[in-house]
Amino acid sequence: SQTIHQWPATLVQPVGSPLSLECTVEGTSNPNLYWYRQAAGRGLQLLFYSVGIGQISSEVPQNLSASRPQDRQFILSSKKLLLSDSGFYLCAWPSLRGNTIYFGEGSWLTVV
Amino acid sequence: EDKVVQSPLSLVVHEGDTVTLNCSYEVTNFRSLLWYKQEKKAPTFLFMLTSSGIEKKSGRLSSILDKKELSSILNITATQTGDSAIYLCAVAKGAQKLVFGQGTRLTINP
Repeated sequence: SQTIHQWPATLVQPVGSPLSLECTVEGTSNPNLYWYRQAAGRGLQLLFYSVGIGQISSEVPQNLSASRPQDRQFILSSKKLLLSDSGFYLCAWPSLRGNTIYFGEGSWLTVV
Repeated sequence: EDKVVQSPLSLVVHEGDTVTLNCSYEVTNFRSLLWYKQEKKAPTFLFMLTSSGIEKKSGRLSSILDKKELSSILNITATQTGDSAIYLCAVAKGAQKLVFGQGTRLTINP
């Protein structure tokens, strides 16, 4: 079965520091992968999606970047965090039939 | 611009009550509408709706899509405290992208 792992689960970082959140998928090959962010009290916003190695599409202009160095690995990064980057970050992938999207456990980021 | 709007944003009821959550959308390239339940962590999938008028049911939860009105409702009957959560509505577009609403925070008091 397909599983998705995210880490770290929680992170407190000072403004201006770098960020790296990692997502790894098991049990499937060449999946589409997604990064979503949920700010406090709001719905989920799609940040990036990737259809394969090295292929990244950005949905919104922002302070973050994404990379897909391997088929099953999706990384969210920032060189210098802003306070507004705080939120709950979720990695996701579509079901085999492509009719829904499943989420990883999520990473809570607090920028102080 | 694609938009998914949920109402109410917040709802507090007593255990045993029936609740109806609403979702309306304006999205290009509509493929399906999904409902998720989010407790403390990641959202968990509840329903996917693609056809108008066909009710999906799972225990005390049910949902239906109205493509003419561009809306969907999620019903929960005989609510329990374990139903307390944020309920998210999302519309799937091409390339398997989801556009989410703001969510409805449902609180069930004993």
